[in-house]
Formats: sequence, C-alpha cells, structure tokens
Amino acid sequence: AQSVTQLDSQVPVFEEAPVELRCNYSSSVSVYLFWYVQYPNQGLQLLLKYLSGSTLVKGINGFEAEFNKSQTSFHLRKPSVHISDTAEYFCAVTYTGGFKTIFGAGTRLFVKA
Amino acid sequence: DAGVIQSPRHEVTEMGQEVTLRCKPISGHNSLFWYRQTMMRGLELLIYFNNNVPIDDSGMPEDRFSAKMPNASFSTLKIQPSEPRDSAVYFCASSLGQGTIEQYFGPGTRLTVT
Repeated sequence: AQSVTQLDSQVPVFEEAPVELRCNYSSSVSVYLFWYVQYPNQGLQLLLKYLSGSTLVKGINGFEAEFNKSQTSFHLRKPSVHISDTAEYFCAVTYTGGFKTIFGAGTRLFVKA
Repeated sequence: DAGVIQSPRHEVTEMGQEVTLRCKPISGHNSLFWYRQTMMRGLELLIYFNNNVPIDDSGMPEDRFSAKMPNASFSTLKIQPSEPRDSAVYFCASSLGQGTIEQYFGPGTRLTVT
C-alpha cells in the first residue's frame, strides 16, 4: 500500500539552529511531493512542492526540500529557524495517475529561545 | 480571494444530534476534499469530489456520515446521529486539479460531541 512516513513525530530545536524534517514514501514510481505547514488552530498551507525538474525545491519562509528518487525521500530543511516556525509540518505524496494525496502523520517542530 | 470558507468554526452538540458542516471552495476550483484530523489518527481523507461528483468516499467511516456537493460553490458534510468519537477537527480543501496541484485548506470546524 502507498504510504508516507515522517520519521520524527517531534523535533525540538533552538532558535537560529538548522533543522531537517524527514519524509519517506513507499514507492519509487513517479510522484508529486508536497510539504504543508499547520499553525495552531489553522488549516494546512503549502510550503513547497516538487512536480518535476530540479530536485532541490525552495519554498516560503526560507524552507527547502530535496527530492531523492533512489532513497524515496523528500526531506525538508531550513538553515536557521525562528520561534515563528513552531508548527506542525506534513509531508504529502500524490502518485502519478492518482487523484488522492496521501499525508504523513506530521512532525511537530518546536523552536526554543 | 477569500480562500476556502468553512462554517461553523466550532460546534458543540450532544450525542445523537445531527450535525451539518459547510464549505465554500475557492471560486474556479473543481476538486473538493473533506478531511478529519484527530490526535490518534492524524489527517484522514473522508471524501473527494471532482466537478461536483463524488469520486471516492472510501474514507467515510460509517453510514452515519454523508456528504453532498449540490453545486460548484457549496458542499456539506453531515453526521447523523453524532457520537462522541466523531469529535475532531474537520477540514475542507479545494484545488484546481487532481493530485498534481496543491490543495487549499479552510480553517476547519472543531466538532465536540458530548
């Protein structure tokens, strides 16, 4: 079955430190990949997406992600986090030809002063 | 653009009552999704509409749940009768296409069934 695994349920990090949130998906067939962010009491909003082309994708708020087809991964990174980045982050995958986007369980990023 | 609009934002009801959640997608979007989010189960897709037609309702948990999309600008999710285990945040999302395009989420409806 197709699935998305976010390897860390919680990631605590100090302000201005780098962070990586890990995401793996279950198949190496063609995929479209997304990262969404959810701030408290809000809906999800798109951070970035990979459809094709360059494997390094840049998104909003200084985040970037790298698509690695051989590792079936799409890890999210930021070189220096801010308190305001505290939120839950969801990795999502749509398999080519499919209509359903599969979401991971989420990673709660907690940025400490 | 007002984004996806959901109402009500909060709903508290007693077990056995009927609950109706409402969603207005972004104008021009042809796909609409209903999700449920809980701590235990995360984000679950309940049902997906394309051009107002239900395409996949395999995520609807029971016959107590039903969803309609009478036109391109309105959808409802109904629970009848409601149970305490239905307590969750329900999100509506819309998009321009099927899968390749990002989804735009509404603010959610927090449902509490006592």
